[in-house]
Amino acid sequence: SQQGEEDPQALSIQEGENATMNCSYKTSINNLQWYRQNSGRGLVHLILIRSNEREKHSGRLRVTLDTSKKSSSLLITASRAADTASYFCATGDSGYSTLTFGKGTMLLVSP
Amino acid sequence: DAMVIQNPRYQVTQFGKPVTLSCSQTLNHNVMYWYQQKSSQAPKLLFHYYDKDFNNEADTPDNFQSRRPNTSFCFLDIRSPGLGDAAMYLCATSPPGTGVQPQHFGDGTRLSIL
Repeated sequence: SQQGEEDPQALSIQEGENATMNCSYKTSINNLQWYRQNSGRGLVHLILIRSNEREKHSGRLRVTLDTSKKSSSLLITASRAADTASYFCATGDSGYSTLTFGKGTMLLVSP
Repeated sequence: DAMVIQNPRYQVTQFGKPVTLSCSQTLNHNVMYWYQQKSSQAPKLLFHYYDKDFNNEADTPDNFQSRRPNTSFCFLDIRSPGLGDAAMYLCATSPPGTGVQPQHFGDGTRLSIL
């Protein structure tokens, strides 16, 4: 299975702190994507990193990818209460049009 | 704004009574997906369309069917819902491209079975 595995399963921090979530996967990938899901809502795409990239930034988000370790991390800096959500990594194979989602990390940011 | 719209947001049906969930998109994306997501779990892909080409996941029960009459609309039919089919059903779209492109999700339909 290509399924990613995030850790931790749950993370609780204070506003202003940084949050780091990790994702591991099993086979070769074309790209890895991170999504956010607010409670009771659909998923929102955050960032895509290709297999030949090592790091990518988008606003307060920083994603790293280590293909030798088959792992990725998502760092949210200066977190806000509005960042409270579940975060999923998803991997895509080259030539396919489908993603396989990991189990997610539930992030709680307290004011 | 271009978007993916799912109706209804909440659906209640009886055990064994057929139900249809709908999804529409204004993004003109040619790939559409249906996912099942149970509480605190990852979204699980049921099937997807690449234009009119239907692709069923190997472990999707026969109880689940889909129709895509045109680019904008896609339907999920559950022929005889069981209690285990209670879940959030998510529709998503993506454009074509090299490798898997970012997916755009609707807000889902939460299905309850009585």
